[in-house]
Amino acid sequence: DTAVSQTPKYLVTQMGNDKSIKCEQNLGHDTMYWYKQDSKKFLKIMFSYNNKELIINETVPNRFSPKSPDKAHLNLHINSLELGDSAVYFCASSQAAGAAYEQYFGPGTRLTVT
Amino acid sequence: GQQVMQIPQYQHVQEGEDFTTYCNSSTTLSNIQWYKQRPGGHPVFLIQLVKSGEVKKQKRLTFQFGEAKKNSSLHITATQTTDVGTYFCAGITGTASKLTFGTGTRLQVTL
Repeated sequence: DTAVSQTPKYLVTQMGNDKSIKCEQNLGHDTMYWYKQDSKKFLKIMFSYNNKELIINETVPNRFSPKSPDKAHLNLHINSLELGDSAVYFCASSQAAGAAYEQYFGPGTRLTVT
Repeated sequence: GQQVMQIPQYQHVQEGEDFTTYCNSSTTLSNIQWYKQRPGGHPVFLIQLVKSGEVKKQKRLTFQFGEAKKNSSLHITATQTTDVGTYFCAGITGTASKLTFGTGTRLQVTL
């Protein structure tokens, strides 16, 4: 059983479209995250939820909107996609909020905007 | 904001050689974590260091946290092809709830 899963694994779309990425964790963790990894491999946090509550909201365009329907799921919706949104998006989870807990990453969603 | 830099950016070694990556933060860290990302894969947690001057070992990997808690290093003895990947440090400042990932060091190992 995969601990942190994401769908889809690959997403190719055109500029201006709206798309969603879904994430689920079966570890019983309270906290979930979205990270963006660009072509240079820089890994940057975007959002974090703890028990469905948004606790980290980095400087991210408001075209990006996360949603956590329950503590096992975290989705990311992106409106009006731009070329610069092309990246790998990783979902992660940790036992609790507070960065001292190890984070478990999903396999990633490679988004290509053409 | 907090910056965490790693050097080198890339290193290519022959199997059996040693490898070290260095992590430097612009601010004092409360904890530091290390992750490994295989090519095409996702980051996987390796270890966390908390105390000033702490040294931890995992088989051929040795992790150190600097005395001033602003730097850290990962040393791999006698590299193997299975060590290939990008190694990231990730720092935590004070009571911050987020990790700031370093720029990463990509390790290539050839026979």
